[in-house]
Amino acid sequence: GESVGLHLPTLSVQEGDNSIINCAYSNSASDYFIWYKQESGKGPQFIIDIRSNMDKRQGQRVTVLLNKTVKHLSLQIAATQPGDSAVYFCAENIWGAQKLVFGQGTRLTINP
Amino acid sequence: SQTIHQWPATLVQPVGSPLSLECTVEGTSNPNLYWYRQAAGRGLQLLFYSVGIGQISSEVPQNLSASRPQDRQFILSSKKLLLSDSGFYLCAWSVGGSVNTEAFFGQGTRLTVV
Repeated sequence: GESVGLHLPTLSVQEGDNSIINCAYSNSASDYFIWYKQESGKGPQFIIDIRSNMDKRQGQRVTVLLNKTVKHLSLQIAATQPGDSAVYFCAENIWGAQKLVFGQGTRLTINP
Repeated sequence: SQTIHQWPATLVQPVGSPLSLECTVEGTSNPNLYWYRQAAGRGLQLLFYSVGIGQISSEVPQNLSASRPQDRQFILSSKKLLLSDSGFYLCAWSVGGSVNTEAFFGQGTRLTVV
């Protein structure tokens, strides 16, 4: 569900290290999930998506893992770069509904 | 290719004044349209979504309303702004008729109510 009233949790990672951002979703009827990246003052941008019939999907330097048993989603970013610094949101699409509901978000900071 | 336009980029309005934010989409037909609000340092809250002309679903009770007078036009309005209406407003679209599709966002409007 939405946690829009809470301050964003933060994660700091050294440049070149891997990072893992986690997200818990509440609706077991959700069947499609997306990770978005939002840079300061801009709209969110699509990173990677995964459907509920999968448990892992890989992109360029990013991997999304889905654990439907515990309703948990994670985004792994390999070999982080300064440009990866941003706020990352997970979003879920509840089956039968044509809308995306966003999670709380995590602010990722890459330290040089 | 599809594009989404949202304006203005920034807006400062006095308390009690009206509001009209406009969003248009090009390059697609019958899109799903969305308005989100983001308070500073917070997550995205879905305010309204629309699956067709004149069809508006409201997600949270508030001081705002939305309208969709044309297929690719989505307007966010208020008759009298409150201080709590300040925030970053984002319009988005997704492919109509599909439930498993990403949403594409505009660049947002930063609204400050003073």
